[in-house]
Amino acid sequence: DTAVSQTPKYLVTQMGNDKSIKCEQNLGHDTMYWYKQDSKKFLKIMFSYNNKELIINETVPNRFSPKSPDKAHLNLHINSLELGDSAVYFCASRLAGGAGELFFGEGSRLTVL
Amino acid sequence: GENVEQHPSTLSVQEGDSAVIKCTYSDSASNYFPWYKQELGKRPQLIIDIRSNVGEKKDQRIAVTLNKTAKHFSLHITETQPEDSAVYFCAASHNTGANSKLTFGKGITLSVRP
Repeated sequence: DTAVSQTPKYLVTQMGNDKSIKCEQNLGHDTMYWYKQDSKKFLKIMFSYNNKELIINETVPNRFSPKSPDKAHLNLHINSLELGDSAVYFCASRLAGGAGELFFGEGSRLTVL
Repeated sequence: GENVEQHPSTLSVQEGDSAVIKCTYSDSASNYFPWYKQELGKRPQLIIDIRSNVGEKKDQRIAVTLNKTAKHFSLHITETQPEDSAVYFCAASHNTGANSKLTFGKGITLSVRP
């Protein structure tokens, strides 16, 4: 059973399009995150949600809109895609309190042409 | 906010040798320091972590040391094997409830030469 699953794994799209990535976790965690990993491998936090509530928004452009319908799901919608959005997007989850393991999904590689 | 620096950015060792990866952090309130390993094309996975009330922790061939005064922590891998080749990330956070976040270093690529 996959603990944190994301779909799709690969996305290739044109500039200006809108795309979504879905994430689900079956670990019973109450905090979920989106991280962006660029070509230099840097892992940068974008958002975190706790029990469906936005907790962290790291000055991400408002073209990125996360949505959490329940504490097991955190989706990411991106409007008007730009070349610089090309990256691997990782969903992750852990228990609130911050001292537990962060479990990552397999990543969604987005390529904007 | 927290700033985590990791150095060197690449490291190459001979199989069987030891590897040491160092990180520094800026926020003295940080009290949780995990290390993640990311193999090529895979997700980052936790390999070991340490809390600020402990100075050292070992798990088989890997160990982590923490110096709170100097605000640095290190990962030690002994008897390296080719399967240890990966990108290693250090991270830091402080436990303040739901808004706690992990800040990652930029990663180091470890290559183990057979």
